[in-house]
Amino acid sequence: TQLLEQSPQFLSIQEGENLTVYCNSSSVFSSLQWYRQEPGEGPVLLVTVVTGGEVKKLKRLTFQFGDARKDSSLHITAAQPGDTGLYLCAGLPTGANSKLTFGKGITLSVRP
Amino acid sequence: NAGVTQTPKFQVLKTGQSMTLQCAQDMNHEYMSWYRQDPGMGLRLIHYSVGAGITDQGEVPNGYNVSRSTTEDFPLRLLSAAPSQTSVYFCASSLVHRVTEAFFGQGTRLTVV
Repeated sequence: TQLLEQSPQFLSIQEGENLTVYCNSSSVFSSLQWYRQEPGEGPVLLVTVVTGGEVKKLKRLTFQFGDARKDSSLHITAAQPGDTGLYLCAGLPTGANSKLTFGKGITLSVRP
Repeated sequence: NAGVTQTPKFQVLKTGQSMTLQCAQDMNHEYMSWYRQDPGMGLRLIHYSVGAGITDQGEVPNGYNVSRSTTEDFPLRLLSAAPSQTSVYFCASSLVHRVTEAFFGQGTRLTVV
C-alpha cells in the first residue's frame, strides 16, 4: 500500500498554462516536502511544510499543506519549460521512529 | 562544497557478482540513507544510519549490506547481485534524523545481467 498517492502521474501542458498537482494520504504527517528531480540527477528540495494549512510560495510555485496534515498541493502559475521534471512529495509520519516516505512522483512536461 | 558524492555513476554486473556503491558527504550530516528508484515505484528506502556506528534496515533491505565507520562515508554493498537489483540507487544525507532537507547524490545506475 502506497502511503502517499500523487496525482496525476503524468502531465503535459503548454508554456504559460497553470496547473495543480496533488499529494494525498490517509495518514498524518509531522512534515511534508516537495522535491524536483531532473533526468540523471538526484532530487532537490523545493519546500518543507510543517503546519496544517500552511502556504508557502517559491516564485511561481505555491505549496499548501492540508489542514489535517494528510495532504498537500503544488500549484504552478504560468508554467515554463524549465519547470519540466519529476515532482516528488515526501512525508515524515508522526511517531518517534518514522522514516521519510516518498510518493511515486508526477512527471511534468512543459512544451514551449 | 561537494555535497553528496556517489561513485560509480554507471555499473553493469553479472548475476552473482558483488560490488560496493560508494557514498561520501562533506556536510558533517548525522543522517545518511540509501534509496533505490524504479519506474512506477518511487524512492524506496534500503538502509539508513543515524550516526557513525549505527545502521538500520529500511523498506527493502534484502540483498544489501551497509556500514558506517565514519560520519562522512556510507557504502552500500551488494553481496550477490540479482537482476531484480537493476535500478538507480541514490544516497542521501541530512543534518539530523527526522528533520530537514535531504541532500541527494547524482545516483548510480546499476544493471545486473
